Amino acid sequence: ETGVTQTPRHLVMGMTNKKSLKCEQHLGHNAMYWYKQSAKKPLELMFVYSLEERVENNSVPSRFSPECPNSSHLFLHLHTLQPEDSALYLCASSQDSQGMTYEQYFGPGTRLTVT
Amino acid sequence: AQSVAQPEDQVNVAEGNPLTVKCTYSVSGNPYLFWYVQYPNRGLQFLLKYITGDNLVKGSYGFEAEFNKSQTSFHLKKPSALVSASAVNFCAVRDGGGFKTIFGAGTRLFVKA
Repeated sequence: ETGVTQTPRHLVMGMTNKKSLKCEQHLGHNAMYWYKQSAKKPLELMFVYSLEERVENNSVPSRFSPECPNSSHLFLHLHTLQPEDSALYLCASSQDSQGMTYEQYFGPGTRLTVT
Repeated sequence: AQSVAQPEDQVNVAEGNPLTVKCTYSVSGNPYLFWYVQYPNRGLQFLLKYITGDNLVKGSYGFEAEFNKSQTSFHLKKPSALVSASAVNFCAVRDGGGFKTIFGAGTRLFVKA
């Protein structure tokens, strides 16, 4: 596997379900990001982890809970979501210390539908 | 506060003609500027960036962009458009050493054969 992978690619869940999105990066990067992409809206930054510590938390509702167990993996735990949370959730990574590149490499996204 | 504006929802151009996709930005510190492209059902792909140095930067797929500090602009250009370039292009800005990157709303580029 190369680049940034995300699973599942599609997810349909009820408002009372609990599910998790998984992201894995194979680039040796040390920063990882979650974004929400909704139709007709700019990309919204949700969370940033650098060296496995959360460094940005962009006023995201508590029904979204991130987890970064190591620099290669990032999870987004979902519970009691609302229909307006339906969107494409994108994971990205970058190299933000020695050998800084700053640009982000994105996964293909998880298309989430909340019913 | 950081912000990015892409004033055009869509840019239409004939194949072989030059194209420009506009972007203006606002940051309090030094701007780190990026262009990304998104094809249908895919994540964003990095095209090019300006961090420092030459104002004209070249990137993937023959795209280039010019940083203009006085006009706070970073327009994306390509001398000769290809149909395969049809996609949504996103401009993004990062305020110096911070982690937060702000993306524009995107401009759909449609290249007609």
